Amino acid sequence: SQQGEEDPQALSIQEGENATMNCSYKTSINNLQWYRQNSGRGLVHLILIRSNEREKHSGRLRVTLDTSKKSSSLLITASRAADTASYFCALGSSGSRLTFGEGTQLTVNP
Amino acid sequence: DGGITQSPKYLFRKEGQNVTLSCEQNLNHDAMYWYRQDPGQGLRLIYYSQIVNDFQKGDIAEGYSVSREKKESFPLTVTSAQKNPTAFYLCASTSDGRKEKLFFGSGTQLSVL
Repeated sequence: SQQGEEDPQALSIQEGENATMNCSYKTSINNLQWYRQNSGRGLVHLILIRSNEREKHSGRLRVTLDTSKKSSSLLITASRAADTASYFCALGSSGSRLTFGEGTQLTVNP
Repeated sequence: DGGITQSPKYLFRKEGQNVTLSCEQNLNHDAMYWYRQDPGQGLRLIYYSQIVNDFQKGDIAEGYSVSREKKESFPLTVTSAQKNPTAFYLCASTSDGRKEKLFFGSGTQLSVL
């Protein structure tokens, strides 16, 4: 099963700045999801974008999907210290499996 | 409150020992999953179950076993055949056939003594 590749591996910004992380993949997908993981905890679902959608918003989160380039980006606007976490993209394809990338570690400095 | 409960939070395994990680959900979800996470890595699928009394191997099933006798329970046994079991284990569930949103437990950290 394919795995998303995330970029950058780590990102450090100041509070109030925007954070952008990217996910690329190789074969077709039905949807792409983003999850957050605080250190030592389980993952929390943030947002899902379907293959026929180009952009979705949820609060301070904006996700884009470009199926021609097989890539997605997650933008967190006006970041806060509480946004410090690892962020994972997950690929939903036909079948029962959801596969996860290796994540981007975001650090928001107060 | 509805959710997924994993226990214990920390577990230690001795050489040659089998250990079982518990995962219970009260969300009435049909599908349940076990993932392994190594430090600084993503999640790798060990086993999943879409319905009671049925389960399938994931990408790294060797050295692990599962059962699904009840809808709400999906225990994972790490057997002595798993030579590198130290990792963070995450259980998840979802209600829909399209797997559009997974709910995760808080994880079990397994270490070898």
